Amino acid sequence: GENVEQHPSTLSVQEGDSAVIKCTYSDSASNYFPWYKQELGKRPQLIIDIRSNVGEKKDQRIAVTLNKTAKHFSLHITETQPEDSAVYFCAASKFDGRGSNYKLTFGKGTLLTVNP
Amino acid sequence: DAGVIQSPRHEVTEMGQEVTLRCKPISGHNSLFWYRQTMMRGLELLIYFNNNVPIDDSGMPEDRFSAKMPNASFSTLKIQPSEPRDSAVYFCASSLRQGVGQPQHFGDGTRLSIL
Repeated sequence: GENVEQHPSTLSVQEGDSAVIKCTYSDSASNYFPWYKQELGKRPQLIIDIRSNVGEKKDQRIAVTLNKTAKHFSLHITETQPEDSAVYFCAASKFDGRGSNYKLTFGKGTLLTVNP
Repeated sequence: DAGVIQSPRHEVTEMGQEVTLRCKPISGHNSLFWYRQTMMRGLELLIYFNNNVPIDDSGMPEDRFSAKMPNASFSTLKIQPSEPRDSAVYFCASSLRQGVGQPQHFGDGTRLSIL
């Protein structure tokens, strides 16, 4: 099955700096890559996603890049703010022929701390 | 849009008791997913349904775990008998089942503690 590795497990930055979180996946058939943000005690919330037919997607201060050849994708957060502090999860999925759906395999998460 | 609704938010019970977690997906969503989150294992998919039919339950850890979806607006995850190692946060998520990569929307989770 799919295996998703996420690095680093913890990341501490100063407010205003950029943060980069990287993920690799094992199944070359994976074609959908969402990123979730989870604040302490709360639910994971989708912040951005990318499909395999594009290499980069941007939404204000966050961006995701995808390298299909190398099977890795990254989350970039610019001009970080204290409210960006949370656990970030990457995930990969592919079409599941049995169920006609997309099962997500999650990375282990990155605890991002933005220091004021 | 009320989002995915889970109940209870917290459950504390003694080992050996039956536990039932409940989920109401977003109206119109036809796929429903149950996840378990622990520090050690992260977010794990337990089972998912399409149009109320269980498709993949390979993530269900043991026969003590069972899930049902009797209609499009309700699902349960049951643990019987419960054990301390079942302590975790259980999330339900729903999505549309069509197109490439439909986002999954998570509920607020049930924090389960088995004593």
